Amino acid sequence: AQSVTQLGSHVSVSEGALVLLRCNYSSSVPPYLFWYVQYPNQGLQLLLKYTTGATLVKGINGFEAEFKKSETSFHLTKPSAHMSDAAEYFCAVRKRGGGADGLTFGKGTHLIIQP
Amino acid sequence: GAVVSQHPSWVICKSGTSVKIECRSLDFQATTMFWYRQFPKQSLMLMATSNEGSKATYEQGVEKDKFLINHASLTLSTLTVTSAHPEDSSFYICSARDSGALTDTQYFGPGTRLTVL
Repeated sequence: AQSVTQLGSHVSVSEGALVLLRCNYSSSVPPYLFWYVQYPNQGLQLLLKYTTGATLVKGINGFEAEFKKSETSFHLTKPSAHMSDAAEYFCAVRKRGGGADGLTFGKGTHLIIQP
Repeated sequence: GAVVSQHPSWVICKSGTSVKIECRSLDFQATTMFWYRQFPKQSLMLMATSNEGSKATYEQGVEKDKFLINHASLTLSTLTVTSAHPEDSSFYICSARDSGALTDTQYFGPGTRLTVL
């Protein structure tokens, strides 16, 4: 079985500061990895995903994440936080070749941006 | 990107009634759709996998007789919460698998908030 751990249920950063949201996975085989953002009372928007190839993945809104197999991690970063980045962020995994499988989500990290 | 819609976006019903939620893929065909449930300030939990033309596959602990899923076409899946009770109040989110995309991506709907009085 695979699982996802997001360290820190709440992360607070100042506007313009670096954003770092942590995600570690547990799986016998490296899975596909995803980051989603959720704004209040809305569905999920895909920020980025890693399936294969380059381990540094660039997504929308200036976010990027790096897959590190040795650390079983897929941390999300953004060089400079913006007020509009305040939202809930979910890391998710899906097993390789499991296209017909649903995603397993972490508990989420609430990102707070201080002016 | 591909668009998935849900209807209604919110619904309030009395205890004991049934509520149907629709999930539609608007610009692609989805042989597989997924239903998730999200409690306030918590993560999404997969409830079931909906396959067009066949029975849904439910996750452990999800009552199939309570949460009826029908995937009648390649663009529509419905979730019916039967005999709803207050503990069924939650945010229900669907996703649709675009298997035709190069990267086999799942797209999420905007969610439906169910409140059972």
